[in-house]
Amino acid sequence: EIVLTQSPGTLSLSPGESATLSCRASQSVSSQLAWYDQRPGQPPRLLIYGASRRATGIPDRFSGSGSGTDFALTISRLEPEDSAIYYCQQYGTSRPLTFGGGTRVEIK
Amino acid sequence: EEQLVESGGSVVRPGGSLRLSCAASGFTFDDYGMSWVRQTPGKGLEWVSGITKNGGTTDYIDSVKGRFSISRDNAKNSLHLQMDYLRAEDTALYHCTRGWLGGPLNLWGPGTLVTVSS
Repeated sequence: EIVLTQSPGTLSLSPGESATLSCRASQSVSSQLAWYDQRPGQPPRLLIYGASRRATGIPDRFSGSGSGTDFALTISRLEPEDSAIYYCQQYGTSRPLTFGGGTRVEIK
Repeated sequence: EEQLVESGGSVVRPGGSLRLSCAASGFTFDDYGMSWVRQTPGKGLEWVSGITKNGGTTDYIDSVKGRFSISRDNAKNSLHLQMDYLRAEDTALYHCTRGWLGGPLNLWGPGTLVTVSS
């Protein structure tokens, strides 16, 4: 099973700043990595797939990078509505699909 | 609007059974593999089971193999999860999701709550 480790656990930032979230895989997942956000009371929502491709309707403030074992999600020009927990997930050939433990982003 | 809505969650005793259902609408259901993902405060998100678009291939995490069974009815745009021999550690919010092999989970339902307790 591929283990995904997300850091930091929590980010506390101000509106207008940028956030960089990290996801490290225990073995290569190539570019088969996705990012999701989850706001309180809502199910997760796909933000990024293929490590760097934005899902439909996701603003260009969200960008993904990386391949192999090291990935990042960058959120530019933070807005209050970006307060959420962000998860990475791998969907490579190694079963099963796995998720990271999440990074909580707080907008002060 | 593309939508997934789960039902069937309940409180059940250890060793009991439940059948979860997911109604899909707004998209061509049989174009997609589907998955169940569960969520708890302690373990976070955990993929449980997946099924290909024609139902010919299924898979499960090791902890539910032999106890859970995923199925789909493409004529009725529905996905199901039969859960037998339930354990306390199966307590979770169960989400129906669109996607599985080789792709992200690009649509999620709000979830249905399963509580296993005596």
